[in-house]
Amino acid sequence: GAVVSQHPSRVICKSGTSVKIECRSLDFQATTMFWYRQFPKQSLMLMATSNEGSKATYEQGVEKDKFLINHASLTLSTLTVTSAHPEDSSFYICSARDNPGGPYNEQFFGPGTRLTVL
Amino acid sequence: DAKTTQPPSMDCAEGRAANLPCNHSTISGNEYVYWYRQIHSQGPQYIIHGLKNNETNEMASLIITEDRKSSTLILPHATLRDTAVYYCIVRGGNYQLIWGAGTKLIIKP
Repeated sequence: GAVVSQHPSRVICKSGTSVKIECRSLDFQATTMFWYRQFPKQSLMLMATSNEGSKATYEQGVEKDKFLINHASLTLSTLTVTSAHPEDSSFYICSARDNPGGPYNEQFFGPGTRLTVL
Repeated sequence: DAKTTQPPSMDCAEGRAANLPCNHSTISGNEYVYWYRQIHSQGPQYIIHGLKNNETNEMASLIITEDRKSSTLILPHATLRDTAVYYCIVRGGNYQLIWGAGTKLIIKP
């Protein structure tokens, strides 16, 4: 149990285009999903926290208009990198957790999406 | 959220127990200690967590000192596939995980 998937696993795009990354909880309902970014040889950095049906809460320094997050259902959250630039190239990872009384109350992570912006 | 301190790297021989230390001297009473690991270019994998008592599961054991200022993750019989970066995290009530630099564990044949 507690499987989280991400799609695509890697994407290459041209500068100025937008890229959508999907995060799905496959066998549980994710009340909360988290989006992280990881640069090479660095640790994970939390970008935003998203609760189903409400607006995402962004960490300081993360532009909400550039990184659009939609958590429209209990099993799906999407991160859209708008007008991507080479400095947005990174490893994007999502995690999901069940509600506090549920069996999957820890954060379970997706496999990550490698974004390369040319 | 309390900060954690871990050694940047450790080696361990295959088949031996790997003991990974973590200091969290500013931990408060309601904060949990979590351990995750990340194998290169993959998402982090949950290992174990605890509050006060020692914990054991199929992957590892977690030993927390009585004053809760430090803990040790034990992989009882390390294999080559356990080579990864191991993160010790103190988590508060908001469920956010604040990631430090972790310990790069290298298992040697």
